[in-house]
Amino acid sequence: GNSVTQMEGPVTLSEEAFLTINCTYTATGYPSLFWYVQYPGEGLQLLLKATKADDKGSNKGFEATYRKETTSFHLEKGSVQVSDSAVYFCALSRTQGGSEKLVFGKGTKLTVNP
Amino acid sequence: KAGVTQTPRYLIKTRGQQVTLSCSPISGHRSVSWYQQTPGQGLQFLFEYFSETQRNKGNFPGRFSGRQFSNSRSEMNVSTLELGDSALYLCASSLVPTGRGTGELFFGEGSRLTVL
Repeated sequence: GNSVTQMEGPVTLSEEAFLTINCTYTATGYPSLFWYVQYPGEGLQLLLKATKADDKGSNKGFEATYRKETTSFHLEKGSVQVSDSAVYFCALSRTQGGSEKLVFGKGTKLTVNP
Repeated sequence: KAGVTQTPRYLIKTRGQQVTLSCSPISGHRSVSWYQQTPGQGLQFLFEYFSETQRNKGNFPGRFSGRQFSNSRSEMNVSTLELGDSALYLCASSLVPTGRGTGELFFGEGSRLTVL
């Protein structure tokens, strides 16, 4: 079945450090891929997405490239800020047999210290 | 415009009781999905409703049920509560069913259920 595997956290960085959160997926065909972010006390919100191979999603300084050959969608940011502290979820969306749902990874908690 | 609204935000129940959670989607959104979030299992899909019809269901026992009303508001019900049902229950809405659009879901802040 479809699944998403994220690197386990928590991840703790200093402000302005480089961030990578690894995400790999298992799916038949060509899923759409997403990164969602959950700030403390809030619901999830879409951070970025990519719908086909080699697409790069970007938003708020975050980037992720859809790599079909490695079935990966790693999240990167060149210089993190304290305000980036949150839980990050990788997800895929795939239509199969007429039904559809988003499948989420377990989340990676990021803490950025000043 | 107003976001997804979930009520109640917090509730405490005892084993064996039942609970009903409510979700009001963003105005104009007709698809509502429910997820259970726990530290151990992460986000698990419960079900999705579109135009008052359940389109998809996750792997949860029959104690978990839901419905959607003509105004797109949705409720989920959990009967005969167990300790393991303690979780954050998240509702998400979208204009169209997942898979037909961008895959972007708009989430509420969740209802945190504690079962004692």
